[in-house]
Amino acid sequence: SQQGEEDPQALSIQEGENATMNCSYKTSINNLQWYRQNSGRGLVHLILIRSNEREKHSGRLRVTLDTSKKSSSLLITASRAADTASYFCATSPSGTYKYIFGTGTRLKVLA
Amino acid sequence: DADVTQTPRNRITKTGKRIMLECSQTKGHDRMYWYRQDPGLGLRLIYYSFDVKDINKGEISDGYSVSRQAQAKFSLSLESAIPNQTALYFCATSDPGGDQETQYFGPGTRLLVL
Repeated sequence: SQQGEEDPQALSIQEGENATMNCSYKTSINNLQWYRQNSGRGLVHLILIRSNEREKHSGRLRVTLDTSKKSSSLLITASRAADTASYFCATSPSGTYKYIFGTGTRLKVLA
Repeated sequence: DADVTQTPRNRITKTGKRIMLECSQTKGHDRMYWYRQDPGLGLRLIYYSFDVKDINKGEISDGYSVSRQAQAKFSLSLESAIPNQTALYFCATSDPGGDQETQYFGPGTRLLVL
């Protein structure tokens, strides 16, 4: 079964707008990561947030983690057409060394 | 050169055939993973290996087998391919002692089973 569920499944915005996508998971975790996938290609790591962190920034990316709600959000500010991709969250359940990926959010940024 | 490579990139095979997908990495990582990706289902873990002598089943290992020939090589085999194994397959590596457990993915192998 999927550990992570992203919401929304698809998102279409105009260039310059902010994009927010959410991830919910089921079990306690060591950390949560966000990855990006351009059409049919391998995933690329964007950012990792540990279970004892609440917010993290990297460039135009802002990630939050609420372990009480078992959820995370990824915010991309000032989006660009090049941000068009699918975004996945991946969780590392506590006590394991593996990763479980969510179903992904397909983001389309219109120029 | 790419750090994680997969061969072949595309493969068409017939039901019942045995096929092997290969993964090589130059990152020096001990941990390697095989995932499959189906539309709308995200990535699912097939097998993972933490070193040459350590192989573990993931959530969907039935119908698959793996071989860790060396630290740098991790192969996935479909013993008798069936149409519902049509998917995009990814190999990944990670280094638990390195940069925060990031996974590094290969470019993927697109497999079609007729």
